[in-house]
Amino acid sequence: QKEVEQNSGPLSVPEGAIASLNCTYSDRGSQSFFWYRQYSGKSPELIMSIYSNGDKEDGRFTAQLNKASQYVSLLIRDSQPSDSATYLCAVMAGNNRKLIWGLGTSLAVNP
Amino acid sequence: DADVTQTPRNRITKTGKRIMLECSQTKGHDRMYWYRQDPGLGLRLIYYSFDVKDINKGEISDGYSVSRQAQAKFSLSLESAIPNQTALYFCATSFTGNYGYTFGSGTRLTVV
Repeated sequence: QKEVEQNSGPLSVPEGAIASLNCTYSDRGSQSFFWYRQYSGKSPELIMSIYSNGDKEDGRFTAQLNKASQYVSLLIRDSQPSDSATYLCAVMAGNNRKLIWGLGTSLAVNP
Repeated sequence: DADVTQTPRNRITKTGKRIMLECSQTKGHDRMYWYRQDPGLGLRLIYYSFDVKDINKGEISDGYSVSRQAQAKFSLSLESAIPNQTALYFCATSFTGNYGYTFGSGTRLTVV
């Protein structure tokens, strides 16, 4: 059973701090990795995708991938209360047929 | 207009009734998916379709059926609704390959 694991949280950080969200996966054949943000009662929204080892930055968001360790992370710099949401990690299965989802990490940014 | 549109947004139905949830998209994506989300259980895949003639069961297909009427339309049916099908349902779409999904706004279904 291919799995994606995340700490459920809640992760609580003060406004302006760096939030670090982590995800591990079991399928060594996976090639693409995604972070989604989901506000309560709303649909998931794609915020980052990463395909190669290393860092990828987009505004206040940085995704980090280490395929050898089967680990992907999301850093949110200068966290804002509006970043309070559940963050879902998704990994494309090695056969490219569908995404495997983690259960999400709840983030609370305190003013 | 939204790229992925789900109807209805909210629905309350009675046990034993047949109900259809609809999804349409204007993104030109070839792949479409139906998920349900329950607190603590995450997103669970019900059915997925890679094109009009390629429909596959997901991890929780029992009690559900689907129809891919066109590349842009993918409907989910509950043949005889039961209370444990009360959930938030999402349609999602993607291109073939290593691409992320685009989600519709969701349908909140309550079976009483």
